[in-house]
Amino acid sequence: AQKVTQAQTEISVVEKEDVTLDCVYETRDTTYYLFWYKQPPSGELVFLIRRNSFDEQNEISGRYSWNFQKSTSSFNFTITASQVVDSAVYFCALSEARTGGFKTIFGAGTRLFVKA
Amino acid sequence: SQTIHQWPATLVQPVGSPLSLECTVEGTSNPNLYWYRQAAGRGLQLLFYSVGIGQISSEVPQNLSASRPQDRQFILSSKKLLLSDSGFYLCAWRSGGAREAYNEQFFGPGTRLTVL
Repeated sequence: AQKVTQAQTEISVVEKEDVTLDCVYETRDTTYYLFWYKQPPSGELVFLIRRNSFDEQNEISGRYSWNFQKSTSSFNFTITASQVVDSAVYFCALSEARTGGFKTIFGAGTRLFVKA
Repeated sequence: SQTIHQWPATLVQPVGSPLSLECTVEGTSNPNLYWYRQAAGRGLQLLFYSVGIGQISSEVPQNLSASRPQDRQFILSSKKLLLSDSGFYLCAWRSGGAREAYNEQFFGPGTRLTVL
């Protein structure tokens, strides 16, 4: 069965600290896709990144980086030198190709507070 | 570019009253449409999913219903609201087809519903 676990409910850091948001997933499919979304205080979720199950290359985009490890079924998200604008709820999500993708499973989210 | 609208932004309704939330998408054709509910401090729960006009799949049995009268319009309804229906309702769209699982979802600004 599909499952996405974000064990960290809330994280609080001081500006300029690095922070890692954990995501662990479960799936029986061999072809699947992992996503991270950001939900700022305004409420609208914004897509950040996608990774497919055959691509374990880590990715860096500015201050954001993602570490995908199939061996541990994890897709962790690191923000380097955090800023107040990074304060938001971050969701990890999983889509399986076998089920057609419509049933994307979202984790419970991690609320990040970045204090000035 | 694609845009997704939701209204109203906020709503306060008494228990037992009816509900109608509307979502419209611009700039794309034949999108897959979703309704999610986010309870306070929780993740996203998929309520309904639609691949086309008049085609609705329900994920959670409850007193809510959905309709898709036009290609880019998705409506969430209830005949009698319960206290437990309070939450943040998000509409989303995604390109369908063979690569649906791969495609990211685009979310609307949400409707915050309080049932008293």
